[in-house]
Amino acid sequence: DVKVTQSSRYLVKRTGEKVFLECVQDMDHENMFWYRQDPGLGLRLIYFSYDVKMKEKGDIPEGYSVSREKKERFSLILESASTNQTSMYLCASSFLSGSNNEQFFGPGTRLTVL
Amino acid sequence: AQSVTQLDSHVSVSEGTPVLLRCNYSSSYSPSLFWYVQHPNKGLQLLLKYTSAATLVKGINGFEAEFKKSETSFHLTKPSAHMSDAAEYFCVVSSFSGGYNKLIFGAGTRLAVHP
Repeated sequence: DVKVTQSSRYLVKRTGEKVFLECVQDMDHENMFWYRQDPGLGLRLIYFSYDVKMKEKGDIPEGYSVSREKKERFSLILESASTNQTSMYLCASSFLSGSNNEQFFGPGTRLTVL
Repeated sequence: AQSVTQLDSHVSVSEGTPVLLRCNYSSSYSPSLFWYVQHPNKGLQLLLKYTSAATLVKGINGFEAEFKKSETSFHLTKPSAHMSDAAEYFCVVSSFSGGYNKLIFGAGTRLAVHP
């Protein structure tokens, strides 16, 4: 079974704090993704990575950065958390970059910024 | 640009009755389409995918979807709803942009199943 794990299920932070969300996959997938999920908006892509040390901006990268030092690990960083970053964050991975390749998702981290 | 529209934000059915979750897509080329399901407090799971082979696609848990190019639709159906089908469902289209393939998600349809 493909396993995508995320470091926390629930996280509460204060405005201005630096926040790290960690994601690990165990299937040797090249591709990894970070999304945020908000009611009525579906999932929106923040950043993705097709290789180690490589990153690409998604549709809503503002206020976020990422790091991929190892193939299995992809970190999402909120440099200075703000209340509008309160959301559910989902990590995903996939094997190939072809258009018909399934992405496998982690359980999500529900982040609250106070 | 690729996009996807889920026509209902909420659908409510009785157990044992058919399920229909509607999805329309927009794509400038032959798309790959997916349906994902998210149960409460769980990650997303792939139900089924269309990749230009058979237009009627069968997925897990008795779900299926039909690709209709003339109607730009990819509706999800199940003949008989079960209580365990209560979840949020996402219609997804694959988008090729900037040299990479990405997934574009619909806003989601929340399915409620009543006894």
